[in-house]
Amino acid sequence: EIVLTQPPLSSPVTLGQPASIPCRSSETLLHNDGNTYLSWLQQRPGQSPRLLLYKISHRFSGVPDRFSGSGAGTAFTLKISRVEAEDVGIYYCAQATQFPWTFGQGTQVEL
Amino acid sequence: QVTLRESGPALVKSTQTLTLTCSFSGFSLSGSGVSGMSLSWIRRSPGKALEWLARVDWDDDKYYRPSLKARVTIYKDTSRNQVVLTMTNVDPVDTGTYFCARSYFDSSSGWQSFDYWGQGIPVTVSS
Repeated sequence: EIVLTQPPLSSPVTLGQPASIPCRSSETLLHNDGNTYLSWLQQRPGQSPRLLLYKISHRFSGVPDRFSGSGAGTAFTLKISRVEAEDVGIYYCAQATQFPWTFGQGTQVEL
Repeated sequence: QVTLRESGPALVKSTQTLTLTCSFSGFSLSGSGVSGMSLSWIRRSPGKALEWLARVDWDDDKYYRPSLKARVTIYKDTSRNQVVLTMTNVDPVDTGTYFCARSYFDSSSGWQSFDYWGQGIPVTVSS
């Protein structure tokens, strides 16, 4: 099973400032179809998870362009260019390259 | 508008069978040879990360978490726009919030995973 690691568990941020959230995979997430199925999800307090990015950097419909993703192989990063108050929550990376699909333990973003 | 909603019991006793239903609208769990939808069940247990449990695809292919394969069954009712998860012989460690989530596949671009989620249903397994 692929293990996704998201250090740290908690990340304090400042409004208007950038933020980065790392995710490391125990194995390459490059699928044999040429895609890398690494997604980023946001879970605001009291809400269900919401897809932000898929295939590393593809922004899902309605997601603000202040969210971006980068990386390849086993190392990935979610970046928020300018943090807003509504960005508080838990951010998960998830992989759909290999079964079973797995998630990171999440990084709590707090002001 | 895509919506998903989980339903089922809030409390189940140890060793019983848990049955959860995901009712969805705004899309069909069908597809062709080049694209289609799938639905997964995912849970979050107290103090643990999100855990993918099972998936059913538009062509009725099914996939299970190996550690749970002996206890979990997933199936779809396309005419009712529902996907059902059954889990036998539940234990208090199965306590958590259960979500259903959609994924979309296209042969030209691959998977768009976990693009829509239900609000989740909390389930407690009592001993």
